[in-house]
Amino acid sequence: DADVTQTPRNRITKTGKRIMLECSQTKGHDRMYWYRQDPGLGLQLIYYSFDVKDINKGEISDGYSVSRQAQAKFSLSLESAIPNQTALYFCATSDPTTGGPPDTQYFGPGTRLTVL
Amino acid sequence: KQEVTQIPAALSVPEGENLVLNCSFTDSAIYNLQWFRQDPGKGLTSLLLIQSSQREQTSGRLNASLDKSSGRSTLYIAASQPGDSATYLCAAGGWGGSYIPTFGRGTSLIVHP
Repeated sequence: DADVTQTPRNRITKTGKRIMLECSQTKGHDRMYWYRQDPGLGLQLIYYSFDVKDINKGEISDGYSVSRQAQAKFSLSLESAIPNQTALYFCATSDPTTGGPPDTQYFGPGTRLTVL
Repeated sequence: KQEVTQIPAALSVPEGENLVLNCSFTDSAIYNLQWFRQDPGKGLTSLLLIQSSQREQTSGRLNASLDKSSGRSTLYIAASQPGDSATYLCAAGGWGGSYIPTFGRGTSLIVHP
């Protein structure tokens, strides 16, 4: 089984609808991230969480919100979806080395979201 | 703000060639540099991670080097194969309090038989 899973894998919705993307991990990592990827562009950070009580905005958080329900679960919501939020969304986890910065990031398979 | 640039944006080569993919970053104060592979419509898979104190890492036919002083990293792929066709992204991890990596836009590689 995959260590980082995302549901749904594909979603088509209409402008103005509320959408929730879910991420679960079995790696036991404290740190979780949500990224967005648009064609030909790098990954842009939306939100990140270093533990259940620590949620931080990334570079493009407007129009998004998150919930860290447990160490293993991190959800991303679009309160009122708009067409320019059409993109590929990735969840990732990492595990900080003892006394140091985070190490490798592990990514989920992605959710392809289309907003009509 | 850290900026990461990858050149070339796209590359098409015949099978068997040795390749060099380039990654440059503007802020040399990084704690690591990571290379990822992304297949079309799929997630990212970590290939190599170089800590700031290291100069290079190797895995099979892949070798990644890091020169912090010049703000550059290269990914060397030996004897390329069609199965190497994918997008390769680099990410520079900064020393800011949150340690969030900054990603380049990637190099799209096609290796044709």
